[in-house]
Amino acid sequence: QKEVEQDPGPLSVPEGAIVSLNCTYSNSAFQYFMWYRQYSRKGPELLMYTYSSGNKEDGRFTAQVDKSSKYISLFIRDSQPSDSATYLCAMSASSTLGRLYFGRGTQLTVWP
Amino acid sequence: EAQVTQNPRYLITVTGKKLTVTCSQNMNHEYMSWYRQDPGLGLRQIYYSMNVEVTDKGDVPEGYKVSRKEKRNFPLILESPSPNQTSLYSCASSFIGTGELFFGEGSRLTVL
Repeated sequence: QKEVEQDPGPLSVPEGAIVSLNCTYSNSAFQYFMWYRQYSRKGPELLMYTYSSGNKEDGRFTAQVDKSSKYISLFIRDSQPSDSATYLCAMSASSTLGRLYFGRGTQLTVWP
Repeated sequence: EAQVTQNPRYLITVTGKKLTVTCSQNMNHEYMSWYRQDPGLGLRQIYYSMNVEVTDKGDVPEGYKVSRKEKRNFPLILESPSPNQTSLYSCASSFIGTGELFFGEGSRLTVL
């Protein structure tokens, strides 16, 4: 079993939709959770960084962590065509990152 | 401009011919790491480094070597490349504790 599971999609939604992206994990030691966005032929860029359980909001993006269920989510409100990209979850047991585990990535297309 | 620079960006080589992929960052980051990205498998960590002369194995270190003699550079060495090392390789760096990895543009390696 992989440490981090993420449905690769693809996911296709109309502009303005609410998008929900999810990852599950098996290692209860993970405490630091990240979401990265990767445009085609580019390196990933950090979207959200959260510690432990709870919610974090940044503009149209909300990250949720449920450690009891070993489940993290990224919600995108009012999705735009410019949100079309691959979204990768990542997690670590340490604040120094060290060993870092990524999901496979979910490919999202937002059509106008 | 703050950046992570990888070279070469594209390389085709033959089995057994030693090669080095260089990675350099100009942000004074302590943490640097290497990943390979394969279809359906996402990003997998090869090695990481917490600082000069401090390196450690990630998820898939077999067949790779690294060194960290200077803070800004973190080369990836393939002593005897094999076709199963054909992949997109990405280098990333960050300040320890931020969770924000800065990625290079990637190096696409083909081993024949």
